[in-house]
Amino acid sequence: EAQVTQNPRYLITVTGKKLTVTCSQNMNHEYMSWYRQDPGLGLRQIYYSMNVEVTDKGDVPEGYKVSRKEKRNFPLILESPSPNQTSLYFCASRSGTSNEAFFGQGTRLTVV
Amino acid sequence: AQTVTQSQPEMSVQEAETVTLSCTYDTSESDYYLFWYKQPPSRQMILVIRQEAYKQQNATENRFSVNFQKAAKSFSLKISDSQLGDAAMYFCAYRRGILNTGTASKLTFGTGTRLQVTL
Repeated sequence: EAQVTQNPRYLITVTGKKLTVTCSQNMNHEYMSWYRQDPGLGLRQIYYSMNVEVTDKGDVPEGYKVSRKEKRNFPLILESPSPNQTSLYFCASRSGTSNEAFFGQGTRLTVV
Repeated sequence: AQTVTQSQPEMSVQEAETVTLSCTYDTSESDYYLFWYKQPPSRQMILVIRQEAYKQQNATENRFSVNFQKAAKSFSLKISDSQLGDAAMYFCAYRRGILNTGTASKLTFGTGTRLQVTL
């Protein structure tokens, strides 16, 4: 089954404790992105990747890092999480020849 | 920069009735795509319908159809014969149509419209 898998689904952590949210897709997609969803703001892009070793900032990259060492994986790293990073996070992937983006199930992150 | 505006934070419709969700966007591009996504309580993002800007014909998918007014930069979603399962948050989204550029991977979302379906 074609899918984008994020882990964990829920995470509560403390300020400053490094964490990684994993994202994996099994569709051989070139494009992958991370979004955060906040009430009243919709979804905003954090980082994106066009292919292996090619990443760039989206609209709200501060406080986040990403890497793309393999085509299928695109982890989101919070080196020193802060409470303003409490949000719902989505990973998405898309083929370069398709219009349809596939989303992961979302990760609810709470930073206390 | 492109922006997407959904001016209706909440809407309500009775079961079996028709409802229209509004979306306007701002862009200087001529080649782009527009989407409506549904987000039920499960939080999953589900693509409902998409429209290519170069196509004049409005897209339809079963009970879902759009009214795409390119000159007015308007992209409304009509849900016919509403069902209880249609209750969700609906997001309008925009993406540039140029391939192989970084920003072509970005979806710009509106702030969403929460749809309630009543008996």
